[in-house]
Amino acid sequence: ELKVEQNPLFLSMQEGKNYTIYCNYSTTSDRLYWYRQDPGKSLESLFVLLSNGAVKQEGRLMASLDTKARLSTLHITAAVHDLSATYFCAVDMDGQNFVFGPGTRLSVLP
Amino acid sequence: DGGITQSPKYLFRKEGQNVTLSCEQNLNHDAMYWYRQDPGQGLRLIYYSQIVNDFQKGDIAEGYSVSREKKESFPLTVTSAQKNPTAFYLCASSIGGRPLTQYFGPGTRLTVL
Repeated sequence: ELKVEQNPLFLSMQEGKNYTIYCNYSTTSDRLYWYRQDPGKSLESLFVLLSNGAVKQEGRLMASLDTKARLSTLHITAAVHDLSATYFCAVDMDGQNFVFGPGTRLSVLP
Repeated sequence: DGGITQSPKYLFRKEGQNVTLSCEQNLNHDAMYWYRQDPGQGLRLIYYSQIVNDFQKGDIAEGYSVSREKKESFPLTVTSAQKNPTAFYLCASSIGGRPLTQYFGPGTRLTVL
C-alpha cells in the first residue's frame, strides 16, 4: 500500500524567511505532484515532477524530486503572506489514481 | 470556459436521507474522481472512473455510490449507510492514460443535521 507523508504538518514562518517542506512516499514512483489549497477552497495544481532529479520553480516556490530516496521537497524562498495556504503532495500510484499526503499548513506571519 | 463544476456548493441533509452531489466537466477528460476531505485532513479517494460506464472503488467507498453514464458527468450519491458523511467533497478530472495532473472542482460542503 502506498503511503505518502509530509513534514512538517504545520509551519509558521516569518515573512522573508526560507523553509522547506518534505514529502516522502513508500513505493516506487517516477511522478509527483504538488497542490495548493486556500481555506475553504479547492486544490490548485502547482508542480508536476516527472523524473528523478526534476526541478521546477514558480516565483518563490521550487520543487524537486529524488525518486531513489522517494523524496520530494518544496522550498519556499523569502516567504510572503500570500503564500499562506495548505500544500499537498500527491503520488501517481499506478497511472490510475493519486494518493495524497496529509498536507502542510503554512502560515506566513508579518 | 473549460472547467469542472460542482453543485450545490453547500448541502444540508437529515440523517437517513440519500443525497446526490453533481460533478460536470467540459474538458473532454476521460477520467473522473471523487475525494472526501475532513477538516484539517488530506484527501481520501472515494471512487474513480477511467471511462464511461466503468468505475472503481477507492479507499473509502462504503456508503457511497456513483454512476458514469456520460463522459462529462460523474454524480456521487451519499447514502444513509454512510455513518459520518459531513465533509468537503471534491471532484476532479484528468485526461486518460497517465495524466500530468488532476483538475479539481470548487467542492461541495455537506453537513448532516
